Amino acid sequence: KAGVTQTPRYLIKTRGQQVTLSCSPISGHRSVSWYQQTPGQGLQFLFEYFSETQRNKGNFPGRFSGRQFSNSRSEMNVSTLELGDSALYLCASSLGPTTDPTEAFFGQGTRLTVV
Amino acid sequence: AQSVTQLGSHVSVSEGALVLLRCNYSSSVPPYLFWYVQYPNQGLQLLLKYTSAATLVKGINGFEAEFKKSETSFHLTKPSAHMSDAAEYFCAVRSTGGGNKLTFGTGTQLKVEL
Repeated sequence: KAGVTQTPRYLIKTRGQQVTLSCSPISGHRSVSWYQQTPGQGLQFLFEYFSETQRNKGNFPGRFSGRQFSNSRSEMNVSTLELGDSALYLCASSLGPTTDPTEAFFGQGTRLTVV
Repeated sequence: AQSVTQLGSHVSVSEGALVLLRCNYSSSVPPYLFWYVQYPNQGLQLLLKYTSAATLVKGINGFEAEFKKSETSFHLTKPSAHMSDAAEYFCAVRSTGGGNKLTFGTGTQLKVEL
């Protein structure tokens, strides 16, 4: 069974540009969450999608957005990039938001560097 | 809001020694707790999870954790450290009310010395 696939693995962008990151969850998983990891702030929740609907959203500016497609694949977009957006962006896939905590499986992440 | 606190950003042990990584949680309701490990330039791998079925939880690679409600703790242990255990470890709590949002601790970097 293939794991969570994030593309690209590495990305270098210039301030002011926008970027789109992609996440393909494990087959059969319908919930996708995104996290930002930085040395200063640690792991912070961005948003969660289930059945193409955003279920939860973290405390990030509107420049950060996401979406989920009917095949459960998800993308996140960051517009007007700032130096502080440099981070490892992690995607997590799980079966779905049930009351029993399903395990979240993480991809290897996309390392975004803003110059 | 639920949160977790990891005491000690860096822990160093000798190979073969006991590993103890500390995590305390704050929650007004029974929490769902997790331990993840992260190797350099990698994503997070689930070590174990607490879902109220048993207070002593066994995970992968010889790790285990004990849920202690009276101490609001969920410390991670391994009887004998191996060089391959060197990594960063994160404690996390899942939010109540459905959804899969995880709130992470600040992480503990484990160093294993010969």
